[in-house]
Amino acid sequence: EVQLLESGGGLVQPGGSLTLSCAASGFTFSSYIMSWVRQAPGKGLEWVSAISASGDTTYYADSVKGRFTLSRDNSKNTLFLQMDSLRAEDTAIYYCAETVVTSAFLGYWGQGTLVTVSS
Amino acid sequence: EIVLTQSPATLSLSPGERATLSCRASQSVDIYLAWYQQKPGQAPRLLMYDASNRATGIPARFSGSGSGTDFTLTISSLEPEDFAVYYCQQRYMWPQTFGGGTKVEIK
Repeated sequence: EVQLLESGGGLVQPGGSLTLSCAASGFTFSSYIMSWVRQAPGKGLEWVSAISASGDTTYYADSVKGRFTLSRDNSKNTLFLQMDSLRAEDTAIYYCAETVVTSAFLGYWGQGTLVTVSS
Repeated sequence: EIVLTQSPATLSLSPGERATLSCRASQSVDIYLAWYQQKPGQAPRLLMYDASNRATGIPARFSGSGSGTDFTLTISSLEPEDFAVYYCQQRYMWPQTFGGGTKVEIK
């Protein structure tokens, strides 16, 4: 069974940093593109970032480019999102998601971790 | 980036009725569009991919159509568990993007 468990969320001041983790199990982590999607309170979904299976290619939404860094450790089946220069508008639930081979879309999702940026 | 516009924002229907949701892209995404369902307090669930293919375990009352810039998700006869928010997403071009969502509510 595929499981994705996010952690690292919490309260951080504007301008601060936070690193989210996503621990994966139940599939061959190193073979799949992984992504982060966020959802501000009461709002819609926003695609944030994705990383290739090997980790050598990353993609970012314009809203986070230059501030967020996505990486992965395939030996530990873990995905990381380093978030710097955080802003109030980054407040959201952050979901980790796996790109399913059959569809090439986000077939498995974690339950999310809440990031609150506030003074 | 490609902007996806969903309409209507809210759809008020009764169980058993047909639901038709629209997603329009600001430029062609070929067939590379998916639909997700999200219920309160839950993560999204993949329903359809590549415009018209049902994901694993999705009931046949869900169908998708379209290509290029105009796409439709149809629920042929609404069940109580179908009342939720639906999002479209494109993977044709980076950055991937989501539409703003359509809430299907009980009338």
